[in-house]
Amino acid sequence: DTAVSQTPKYLVTQMGNDKSIKCEQNLGHDTMYWYKQDSKKFLKIMFSYNNKELIINETVPNRFSPKSPDKAHLNLHINSLELGDSAVYFCASSPMVGGGGGDMDTQYFGPGTRLTVL
Amino acid sequence: AQRVTQPEKLLSVFKGAPVELKCNYSYSGSPELFWYVQYSRQRLQLLLRHISRESIKGFTADLNKGETSFHLKKPFAQEEDSAMYYCALRASGAGSYQLTFGKGTKLSVIP
Repeated sequence: DTAVSQTPKYLVTQMGNDKSIKCEQNLGHDTMYWYKQDSKKFLKIMFSYNNKELIINETVPNRFSPKSPDKAHLNLHINSLELGDSAVYFCASSPMVGGGGGDMDTQYFGPGTRLTVL
Repeated sequence: AQRVTQPEKLLSVFKGAPVELKCNYSYSGSPELFWYVQYSRQRLQLLLRHISRESIKGFTADLNKGETSFHLKKPFAQEEDSAMYYCALRASGAGSYQLTFGKGTKLSVIP
């Protein structure tokens, strides 16, 4: 089943802990993204990798560190979790960036990981 | 910097009524506009993009550069259209990678 998958689907943890969210895409895409969706459903990009290289790094705390071991994976590691980190985190991928429009720019989203920090 | 504005957080319409979800953008160049939809408990997915000029699930959207708008329309709302809708913009040109999303509009279709 070709898709963008994320694990875990739900993550409940205590403040101060370190946790990771994994993302894998088997669509053969070059570019992957992490988005944060807050409680008000506002969707904001955090990071983007193209062929394992970081190309977008929005203003997020450096407690968040993305890691791309290969083109098909983009994991998100979060240190010293805080209450405000509670959100749904979406991974996405696209065939390429700046593709000039059409299918090459379409982003395919994972199902999301609901992180709850207690 | 680009910006996308969806002025309505929540839009409620009756089944069979017309729907218009508003989206305005701010960008000095030539943008590419998209509508994404998120049904309850499902992942975000692309609904349509302006360059395709297509109609998906009865929805259409026309890019109006004069008014810097990309409103999403459907003549007759269905209950299954209830979802969260996001307008998104991608800047054109070299180095233009990211999608900038609006804050979303929750569409509720009342039976």
